[in-house]
Amino acid sequence: EAGVTQFPSHSVIEKGQTVTLRCDPISGHDNLYWYRRVMGKEIKFLLHFVKESKQDESGMPNNRFLAERTGGTYSTLKVQPAELEDSGVYFCASSRWASGAQETQYFGPGTRLLVL
Amino acid sequence: SQQGEEDPQALSIQEGENATMNCSYKTSINNLQWYRQNSGRGLVHLILIRSNEREKHSGRLRVTLDTSKKSSSLLITASRAADTASYFCATNSNFGNEKLTFGTGTRLTIIP
Repeated sequence: EAGVTQFPSHSVIEKGQTVTLRCDPISGHDNLYWYRRVMGKEIKFLLHFVKESKQDESGMPNNRFLAERTGGTYSTLKVQPAELEDSGVYFCASSRWASGAQETQYFGPGTRLLVL
Repeated sequence: SQQGEEDPQALSIQEGENATMNCSYKTSINNLQWYRQNSGRGLVHLILIRSNEREKHSGRLRVTLDTSKKSSSLLITASRAADTASYFCATNSNFGNEKLTFGTGTRLTIIP
């Protein structure tokens, strides 16, 4: 079974530019999460999709971040315009839908974003 | 919002020794999980302990949970060079599909 994949693995852009990150979850996983780790701090939740719907976007820092999951398969996270403080590692995770039980979240390798 | 803190922030031990990492959290939880991240790689799920459990084992890993103190520990026995990684605790406050809240992580270095 293929794991969660993310593209690109690294991205270096200048302040003010746009970057789009992509996540392909494990096939059949309805839950898709985005997290990020900034400057060696803790990993923080950004948002959660259930299929194509945004279930929880309480962690999105501001309106420069836009996430989509068209068709309930892969997801994209766009940062526009990028700021210096957006630099960090962006992780995607997916899990099966659980009803009253805990399902493991499987993480991708992350996208390392550097904004200059 | 709930935040986990781990100590130590960094730990270096000789190969073969045991490594213990601690995690504290602030609010009630449904479960607590430990993840490992090797340099440049993604997070790998190690073990999950539910709020009604006190101890759990998986291979060389032993996890304890004390909900009265809102703390957990991860013990790795007979450490190996391949255990060198960052270790994170993550909590989940509800059943099933909720987001994870991560601690700050412990950087473990095993010296051959």
